[in-house]
Amino acid sequence: QFVLTQPPSVSGAPGQRITISCTGSSSNVGTDYDVHWYQQLPGTAPKLLIYGNNNRPSGVPDRFSGSKSGTSASLAITGLQAEDEADYYCQSYDSSLSGSRVFGGGTKLTVL
Amino acid sequence: QVQLVQSGAEVKKPGASVKVSCKASGYTLTSKYMHWVRQAPGQGLEWMGIINPSGGRPTYAQKFQGRVIMTSDTSTSTVYMELSSLRSDDTAVYYCARGSLWFMDYYFDFWGQGTLVTVSS
Repeated sequence: QFVLTQPPSVSGAPGQRITISCTGSSSNVGTDYDVHWYQQLPGTAPKLLIYGNNNRPSGVPDRFSGSKSGTSASLAITGLQAEDEADYYCQSYDSSLSGSRVFGGGTKLTVL
Repeated sequence: QVQLVQSGAEVKKPGASVKVSCKASGYTLTSKYMHWVRQAPGQGLEWMGIINPSGGRPTYAQKFQGRVIMTSDTSTSTVYMELSSLRSDDTAVYYCARGSLWFMDYYFDFWGQGTLVTVSS
């Protein structure tokens, strides 16, 4: 259903490190197009978290980082905090879909 | 500061149309493209299309072609998204999102608060 594949859920204890994967294909993540990540807290609009694979907008803590290799990208969160509990979405561009921007299905992060 | 303020919730009957507005402030509307993204209840994000508020033809996701029209009014710094022939599965929160250019594409750096559109008979 979603062009980019993310795990439906991940969990971790406070202080731990977690990663969220985003797997695409040769027409999106595997090309020169970058991956961006968004955080959506319950009942709110998404917020930009990482752009251009590994760049943080001002105000985003350095506990959040991103990477991309081949047809996959990852979001890492270190020093997990209760307020990190949210849905996380990856996003890229797909060259096979007539100028379409594509999202992953989202990953629900639970802080135990 | 950049703000995108959307119009209020709508309830529509199947077959009707809805027009959602997104008023931009804190920057010049014509300096950035605007995207529309929707989210069905409990579901993920779905890109609908992009408009250049300066003019030119919008680009729509294939799924919505023929049913969506995106327009802009630079005099009021507002962009609009109109979706027609509504079905129950169009029930969703609709977001406008500002696109910032990054190499060959965009990331969405500011989002509106969302507009819930409910389609029900």
